[in-house]
Amino acid sequence: AAGVIQSPRHLIKEKRETATLKCYPIPRHDTVYWYQQGPGQDPQFLISFYEKMQSDKGSIPDRFSAQQFSDYHSELNMSSLELGDSALYFCASSPTGYNEQFFGPGTRLTVL
Amino acid sequence: GEDVEQSLFLSVREGDSSVINCTYTDSSSTYLYWYKQEPGAGLQLLTYIFSNMDMKQDQRLTVLLNKKDKHLSLRIADTQTGDSAIYFCAESIHTDKLIFGTGTRLQVFP
Repeated sequence: AAGVIQSPRHLIKEKRETATLKCYPIPRHDTVYWYQQGPGQDPQFLISFYEKMQSDKGSIPDRFSAQQFSDYHSELNMSSLELGDSALYFCASSPTGYNEQFFGPGTRLTVL
Repeated sequence: GEDVEQSLFLSVREGDSSVINCTYTDSSSTYLYWYKQEPGAGLQLLTYIFSNMDMKQDQRLTVLLNKKDKHLSLRIADTQTGDSAIYFCAESIHTDKLIFGTGTRLQVFP
């Protein structure tokens, strides 16, 4: 069965650089969620989209932005990267009204 | 995980039962989940329970929910070394974002 795809799986950036993380949800899933998991921390909700519109916003810095495209894939854009942005970034998808979120394998971002 | 608390560590002998506990504060939570995360890996959904249920059993896993005390537990029967991982409970309201607990590191020794 198709799963959530995230790319890249690993990313190394310097401070003040930008990064773009991509998420391809499971086919026919119209809702996408982004989570950030710092080292030794629990995942924290960043932002979600439903039918290409932002549906909820969590603790996402102003330096980050995200969008969902017409094919339902989503991108998380991160600018002016800081050391503290080093984390695992998870994307999850679900179909409308479904209580289960299906997680991707994550993108590990390291900021040097 | 400021609204969802778990104990940090649990160590059990192989073959014994493990019980991982979780307390949450939002009484409007509609679903409660248990996720497993192995080192450097993603989040694997183990099971979930709807807030109007008291118990759910799925093979070696038993979830108990005490809604009055806002307490959730996961019991793993016949714990194996492959069960060693971090276990997160999580809550959601309807189909909203997940709020994760602080995670419990389960170590299974022979």
